[in-house]
Formats: sequence, structure tokens, C-alpha cells
Amino acid sequence: QQQVKQSPQSLIVQKGGISIINCAYENTAFDYFPWYQQFPGKGPALLIAIRPDVSEKKEGRFTISFNKSAKQFSLHIMDSQPGDSATYFCAATAGGTSYGKLTFGQGTILTVHP
Amino acid sequence: GAVVSQHPSWVICKSGTSVKIECRSLDFQATTMFWYRQFPKQSLMLMATSNEGSKATYEQGVEKDKFLINHASLTLSTLTVTSAHPEDSSFYICSAALHEQFFGPGTRLTVL
Repeated sequence: QQQVKQSPQSLIVQKGGISIINCAYENTAFDYFPWYQQFPGKGPALLIAIRPDVSEKKEGRFTISFNKSAKQFSLHIMDSQPGDSATYFCAATAGGTSYGKLTFGQGTILTVHP
Repeated sequence: GAVVSQHPSWVICKSGTSVKIECRSLDFQATTMFWYRQFPKQSLMLMATSNEGSKATYEQGVEKDKFLINHASLTLSTLTVTSAHPEDSSFYICSAALHEQFFGPGTRLTVL
């Protein structure tokens, strides 16, 4: 019930292309869905986050699409750049705050070829 | 703002020894800090939630006597891996809660 399932496990995209990473959850108590970017040997950093009262949120080249009925959300990276090559994790938390206990997806290794 | 540091960034120790990892929120006070463990090419697994001035809450399967957590102040939490063994070798990451979780840079522990 606490799992967040993420796909694909790895993704290769050409520079300028669109990267799409998907996540699905079961726990309907989840109410905050952040995405994190992690470079090798570093801690994760928050990219963008969404609450279930909106279906889409965009910040620069990063967009979250959220489907509450399907219990799915996805990250779209537009105009992907080699510098975007990293591991991306979706996550979810419950309890009404944005800083509660996080459940992470399995991660997606993104490689953007120049 | 909202910077979290960890010390050391990497440590190598012999099997059977104890290792302490510090997590500091540099420019804010954090009532709650979290400790995660990450094995190579895997996701972050929450080990425990640390609240200032009280005992940590450990996730199922995490040995509280092996992974001692102390959150003595609003800017410092420590994780001590006691009697470390090679299987404890991992990347340990802390986070501090403000309006979101801010993650530290991680500590690479290698137990020989």
C-alpha cells in the first residue's frame, strides 16, 4: 500500500527531446508528490512537486502531469539537455504537509545524448 | 538558504568499529530530520525519523540498537553505526524538514 512504482528504470534521450518518467501509487492518503534529481555521489534535490488538487504544474522545462483517478503522475522534461543526465525519483507523502515521511519510487536513470 | 551538510562525506572503517555521521541544517532550525540509506543503483530507503529532544522512530526492519540516532539540537542530528560490518557499507543521506525536506550531500560508508 505504501509503494510508489516508477518506470522506466532507464531512459536514453537525444538532446532536445522530451523525457517522460511515470509513477503510480496505491495509497489514496498520499497528498504531496515531489520529484527529485540526484547526481552520482550527491544527495537528491527537489525539482518540482504537485498536490492532487491540480492536474498539471509547470516550472521551466519541467512539467508534472497528475491523474488522480488513475493514481498516476509523470514528469516531463522538455528540450532535454546533457546536463539533465541524472537519476530521477518520484516520491509521495501523506499527512497534509510537504515535509512528511517520503516514499520513493525506484528511480530512473536518464541519459541525454548530445 | 536551506542548506544541509553532512560530515564526513566518506569514511572507511574496520569491521566491528563504530562510525558517527553528523547531519546539520546550516541556516534553519529543523524539528524533524530523516535518515536514509541508499545502496548502489537503488532508491532511498527511510531508516528513521528523528525529532529534536525525543527518541527516533525507526522503520520496520531497521535495528535501533545498531543505528543509534541522536537529535540533541534543532540543527544537529547524528547517526552512529555500531559494530559496523561490510553489509552496512552504503550511502547514508539525511534530510531536514522545513517547508519541504532538504537533503544533505550524503556520506559514503565503506566497512572493510
